[in-house]
Amino acid sequence: AAGVIQSPRHLIKEKRETATLKCYPIPRHDTVYWYQQGPGQDPQFLISFYEKMQSDKGSIPDRFSAQQFSDYHSELNMSSLELGDSALYFCASSGPSSDHYEQYFGPGTRLTVT
Amino acid sequence: AQKVTQAQTEISVVEKEDVTLDCVYETRDTTYYLFWYKQPPSGELVFLIRRNSFDEQNEISGRYSWNFQKSTSSFNFTITASQVVDSAVYFCALRRYNTDKLIFGTGTRLQVFP
Repeated sequence: AAGVIQSPRHLIKEKRETATLKCYPIPRHDTVYWYQQGPGQDPQFLISFYEKMQSDKGSIPDRFSAQQFSDYHSELNMSSLELGDSALYFCASSGPSSDHYEQYFGPGTRLTVT
Repeated sequence: AQKVTQAQTEISVVEKEDVTLDCVYETRDTTYYLFWYKQPPSGELVFLIRRNSFDEQNEISGRYSWNFQKSTSSFNFTITASQVVDSAVYFCALRRYNTDKLIFGTGTRLQVFP
């Protein structure tokens, strides 16, 4: 079965640079979620989109922005990168009806800021 | 406040032993959802199960079983006859009704030795 696709899988950036992470949800899934997982920590919710509209918002820094496009893929834009932004960034997706409450995660993008 | 507690930071067992991972949650909501995810060394987050607050029926799936008890706010996960491939970090998570955010516990690292 098709899974969530994230690109790139690994990304190395320098401080103050920008980064764009992409997420392609499971086909027919209409909701996308972004999470950040620091080393040895649990995932922290950043933001979510349903039908291209922001659905919920968590602890996302103002330096970050995200959107969902008409084909349901999503992008997380990160500017003025800091060392503390080094983490594993997960995208998850969920489908309509009762499946909406089950979030299926992609493999993650490992961002390293040097 | 919503909170998930996984008191067991790390558990080590020998193959074929049974092991139970504890999860205690806090919420004042009457409708909520509980989840277990597995994060193997490769890093991805794998969905294992969702349980609705109004459904206290326990579930068994192969060697995995889950015990949901609202009276003690617990949602424990048992692996029977553990295998080396079960070695991973296991996260319990809570989601409030009509929100997108998964609130994760700090995870339990399970190591299964041959």
